[in-house]
Amino acid sequence: SQQGEEDPQALSIQEGENATMNCSYKTSINNLQWYRQNSGRGLVHLILIRSNEREKHSGRLRVTLDTSKKSSSLLITASRAADTASYFCATDLGGYNKLIFGAGTRLAVHP
Amino acid sequence: EAEVAQSPRYKITEKSQAVAFWCDPISGHATLYWYRQILGQGPELLVQFQDESVVDDSQLPKDRFSAERLKGVDSTLKIQPAELGDSAMYLCASSLEDPNIQYFGAGTRLSVL
Repeated sequence: SQQGEEDPQALSIQEGENATMNCSYKTSINNLQWYRQNSGRGLVHLILIRSNEREKHSGRLRVTLDTSKKSSSLLITASRAADTASYFCATDLGGYNKLIFGAGTRLAVHP
Repeated sequence: EAEVAQSPRYKITEKSQAVAFWCDPISGHATLYWYRQILGQGPELLVQFQDESVVDDSQLPKDRFSAERLKGVDSTLKIQPAELGDSAMYLCASSLEDPNIQYFGAGTRLSVL
């Protein structure tokens, strides 16, 4: 079963626009991570936010975490065509470092 | 930059045949993961190793799937016999203990005919 649920399932925007993806989860977490996957390739880690953190930034990425609502969001600012990919949230429930991935958001950025 | 190596990249096989996938994690990473990813879905953990020991194989179909990491370094995932429903991407990842950021290989795309 999948702990994380991303929303929306698919997102289509123009270059230069911002893209926001949301992730909801069910149980308490140790940390939450976001990964990116280009078509037919492996996943690449983007950012990790710990349960005691509320917001993190990395370049054009901004991640927020609301543990009271059991939700996280990933914001990509000033999107580029190269940002076209699937984005997954993954929750770490603690113990053995196991991550549980959601079904992902498919982002298409049009030139 | 260190990478997780997987082979083969693509595998086509007929149902009832045996297939094997190989993974070489990043040097020094004690934890190794095998995932199965069906098109349009997120990765699902099949088996997790800590060094040479299995710490989670709860989602591994043990009647046909097996995995080993004999010397605590590289790993092999085997399917025998393959079924049509096994067609998927098989991903290997490795990580340090903390932070548990996972580094993925490029995957093996399996097609069972």
